[in-house]
Amino acid sequence: SQQGEEDPQALSIQEGENATMNCSYKTSINNLQWYRQNSGRGLVHLILIRSNEREKHSGRLRVTLDTSKKSSSLLITASRAADTASYFCATDRGSSNTGKLIFGQGTTLQVKP
Amino acid sequence: ETGVTQTPRHLVMGMTNKKSLKCEQHLGHNAMYWYKQSAKKPLELMFVYNFKEQTENNSVPSRFSPECPNSSHLFLHLHTLQPEDSALYLCASSLATGTSGNEQFFGPGTRLTVL
Repeated sequence: SQQGEEDPQALSIQEGENATMNCSYKTSINNLQWYRQNSGRGLVHLILIRSNEREKHSGRLRVTLDTSKKSSSLLITASRAADTASYFCATDRGSSNTGKLIFGQGTTLQVKP
Repeated sequence: ETGVTQTPRHLVMGMTNKKSLKCEQHLGHNAMYWYKQSAKKPLELMFVYNFKEQTENNSVPSRFSPECPNSSHLFLHLHTLQPEDSALYLCASSLATGTSGNEQFFGPGTRLTVL
């Protein structure tokens, strides 16, 4: 079954607005990561939050993690047209630490100029 | 540029062909991965190599055969594929499995079409 599930599946906003994407997961994790993918290209790592952290910032990105609810959110502030992409959460599970990341289906973000 | 390159970027092959995908990383990493990304499906992990040893095979059909001759290179040998194998194949690398914060660096992918 799917570990990470994002919502919404698609999001369309105007440039300058904030975009919020959510991710839910099912099992315990070591950390949760967010990646961006431009159409038909590889994924780019954005930010990693560990299971003992609650919030993390990187530039215009803010990530929160609620392990009690098994959920995370990614906030992109003051969005730009260049932020148009698909965004994926990925979980690095607990004890085994095999390097295996479980990806969600992603949120497709469109930022209109 | 993420430091991970993949060739070819596009590949069209018949079901009876044999082809290989190549991945190279210039990051000094020791773990390498193959993923399959199909339309409307989440990214699927196929194989994991750590220090040239395969540590994960996610129930991948034998028509996909990986090879990792050293920590910088990873191949995916393809033979007698099916049309449903058409997808974007992504290679990634990381410092090593078992390390804290397993951030992965992805190549641009090979778009494979099986006719």
